Amino acid sequence: DAGVTQSPTHLIKTRGQQVTLRCSPKSGHDTVSWYQQALGQGPQFIFQYYEEEERQRGNFPDRFSGHQFPNYSSELNVNALLLGDSALHLCASSLYGPQDEQYFGPGTRLTVT
Amino acid sequence: QQQVKQSPQSLIVQKGGISIINCAYENTAFDYFPWYQQFPGKGPALLIAIRPDVSEKKEGRFTISFNKSAKQFSLHIMDSQPGDSATYFCAASKGGYQKVTFGTGTKLQVIP
Repeated sequence: DAGVTQSPTHLIKTRGQQVTLRCSPKSGHDTVSWYQQALGQGPQFIFQYYEEEERQRGNFPDRFSGHQFPNYSSELNVNALLLGDSALHLCASSLYGPQDEQYFGPGTRLTVT
Repeated sequence: QQQVKQSPQSLIVQKGGISIINCAYENTAFDYFPWYQQFPGKGPALLIAIRPDVSEKKEGRFTISFNKSAKQFSLHIMDSQPGDSATYFCAASKGGYQKVTFGTGTKLQVIP
């Protein structure tokens, strides 16, 4: 049973560009959350998707947007990239509702130059 | 606003020793307190978690102690092993909403 998978593993972009990161949740999971982890810091919650809708959002600007597909996979899109967007972007999957446990993927390392 | 404060930032322990990491939270609505272990190049993995209705939870060599009145909780790793060398994050969330607030992490190194 595959866990949470993310692609690509690494990505290098230039300031001002746009990027799309992808996530496939653990089998049986219907909810995907995205986190950003800067070097030496803890992950910070970006947003959560369930039933193809954004359900919760953290303190991230509108440059960060997402999408969830009918098969529960998800994309994170970041527009107008800034140097500060350089980080490990993590996807976590879970079951929606009063469930606490999330399973994290290995992340996508985004570098903005 | 940092809602979960974690200390120390780094920790060196000898093999067989006890590793202790402390956390404090501010939001009294938090009702789920997990600890995550993260190895380089990997995502965080859930290690152990506690709810505020108990003061202690033990799983193998890992124990969480929880003090609701002080809004503090800690992770104890007994008989620490070199394979425990990793970064540990305390975290908190409320009501099953799965919006997890993480601490800043503790880099643990267990030396032989």
